[in-house]
Amino acid sequence: GEDVEQSLFLSVREGDSSVINCTYTDSSSTYLYWYKQEPGAGLQLLTYIFSNMDMKQDQRLTVLLNKKDKHLSLRIADTQTGDSAIYFCAESIGQAGTALIFGKGTTLSVSS
Amino acid sequence: NAGVTQTPKFRILKIGQSMTLQCAQDMNHNYMYWYRQDPGMGLKLIYYSVGAGITDKGEVPNGYNVSRSTTEDFPLRLELAAPSQTSVYFCASSYQGESVGRGYTFGSGTRLTVV
Repeated sequence: GEDVEQSLFLSVREGDSSVINCTYTDSSSTYLYWYKQEPGAGLQLLTYIFSNMDMKQDQRLTVLLNKKDKHLSLRIADTQTGDSAIYFCAESIGQAGTALIFGKGTTLSVSS
Repeated sequence: NAGVTQTPKFRILKIGQSMTLQCAQDMNHNYMYWYRQDPGMGLKLIYYSVGAGITDKGEVPNGYNVSRSTTEDFPLRLELAAPSQTSVYFCASSYQGESVGRGYTFGSGTRLTVV
């Protein structure tokens, strides 16, 4: 079945770059997503990438997609303490991307 | 404020009790979803709906039921609560699935404990 894998923890220092990696299984996914969850809150859409793109940049965020290897990464430049959160990778499943399957989440810890 | 509203925010149930988790959205989204989030396990899809009167099972539907009589509301029912259903439940909605790449709007969650 469909599965999304992520490393569970990442620790960086403030000002450094963070790179969160993800692998997925459904090659028919049209969009791939990154969500952010802060403590006690729901998930917030951070960014997404269309499957025919290799890269998407949005301010401090850069998403890289390697469709051949089914690998997705999220780079956060100049990481701040406010970026500390859980980051979820998600792929779509079903006809017309009916629903999303999420990874287990990567907990990013930023120290000052 | 526009968005997805979930009630209640917290609930403690005894084993065997039943309850309904409410979810409402006011964005005229046609797709709605229920996920559960267990620590270290990410989100698992319970049920989803692509429009009023249409529902379908997700990854972990056992022990739950849903209905979608209106575009706005998508309640989740637990008939016989079990400790394994202790979790945080998130409702989400989207416009026509992912076809426009907008992702989902999530509610703030319902934290359910079954004792």
